[in-house]
Amino acid sequence: KQEVTQIPAALSVPEGENLVLNCSFTDSAIYNLQWFRQDPGKGLTSLLLIQSSQREQTSGRLNASLDKSSGRSTLYIAASQPGDSATYLCAVWYSGGGADGLTFGKGTHLIIQP
Amino acid sequence: DAGVTQSPTHLIKTRGQQVTLRCSPKSGHDTVSWYQQALGQGPQFIFQYYEEEERQRGNFPDRFSGHQFPNYSSELNVNALLLGDSALYLCASSLPGLATGDEQFFGPGTRLTVL
Repeated sequence: KQEVTQIPAALSVPEGENLVLNCSFTDSAIYNLQWFRQDPGKGLTSLLLIQSSQREQTSGRLNASLDKSSGRSTLYIAASQPGDSATYLCAVWYSGGGADGLTFGKGTHLIIQP
Repeated sequence: DAGVTQSPTHLIKTRGQQVTLRCSPKSGHDTVSWYQQALGQGPQFIFQYYEEEERQRGNFPDRFSGHQFPNYSSELNVNALLLGDSALYLCASSLPGLATGDEQFFGPGTRLTVL
């Protein structure tokens, strides 16, 4: 069974700092890994999608890396802003058979202090 | 270009009742997935519909059922509601594909409260 873990569960940093969110998964048989942002009580906004054959993706101040062999991904946020405050979720699409769909971690709750 | 839409936004039901939630996929998408997100947890996969058929299913009881219409919109039905069914129900759509893990686009969700 695929499991996804996100560390830390919560993080509070001053505005302007660079930060790294971590995601690990137990089975390397994945199609892709997707990072999402979720504001309180809202739906998910897709940030970055990394296919299993890729090592990283970048969008603006965000950079996500994928190391399939070690079962790890990181989301790097440069020059953080108060508007980045949200819960960040990591999810993998398992290719090993069984139930389809994304398997999510519990998320990292991020607070950027003005 | 309209994104994924869901209705209603909020819903309050009592135990034992039945509920229907609705989803319209993003334009050009034909695959719809449903997820349940309990408070403080990550979303959990319920099932996926493609070509009007349930293609895959997660670990949810038969009380959870769905339907996909010819226009690709979808419904999630939950019978005999339990208190534990209280959650945010999310719909996601993706481009045509079979088990390729295309990028998922999520709607704003329906908050279901069971009293």
